[in-house]
Amino acid sequence: LAKTTQPISMDSYEGQEVNITCSHNNIATNDYITWYQQFPSQGPRFIIQGYKTKVTNEVASLFIPADRKSSTLSLPRVSLSDTAVYYCLVGRRDDKIIFGKGTRLHILP
Amino acid sequence: DVKVTQSSRYLVKRTGEKVFLECVQDMDHENMFWYRQDPGLGLRLIYFSYDVKMKEKGDIPEGYSVSREKKERFSLILESASTNQTSMYLCASSWGQGDQPQHFGDGTRLSIL
Repeated sequence: LAKTTQPISMDSYEGQEVNITCSHNNIATNDYITWYQQFPSQGPRFIIQGYKTKVTNEVASLFIPADRKSSTLSLPRVSLSDTAVYYCLVGRRDDKIIFGKGTRLHILP
Repeated sequence: DVKVTQSSRYLVKRTGEKVFLECVQDMDHENMFWYRQDPGLGLRLIYFSYDVKMKEKGDIPEGYSVSREKKERFSLILESASTNQTSMYLCASSWGQGDQPQHFGDGTRLSIL
């Protein structure tokens, strides 16, 4: 089971781009990388998933280098409402996934 | 849009009571999960189920059991509630496991007095 390491917390300002990096040194060939967002008093919400290179959707981009030992979630032009906990997970179909403690992102005005 | 509904947002019970937490999903997902979330500890997997009447232990199953009699419903049971089971409980469902996104309910905040 691939373990992930991400910063415990980050601060940023409204309008800036925020990059949260996750390390997963023992990622396996069949593992996908998935990011979730969680607001207070709500369950986590799926943001984005990728296997390699770059994935982009209406919420975020996910950058995965060739060795896949890390990944970076990029949030463009954040607002106060992006204040949340962000979880990086690694897993594959035949394996359970494990949520770590996540990164607590605090957006300042 | 996937909907995962947990029966209660807040619940208060007493030590020693048998407690049932119910979860229903409306997307015909095969897999369902129960987590608890505590400050500083993130989400921890209690039990999961790949199919009706099937269940697998997660990382912290002690003191809990589950029931999945119908595909859409997954129940978490605290056989004899204790104060250290005071927590936020989250239910999720998905098509797959590691590579398929899980869809979460809004949680049940359970207090055991």
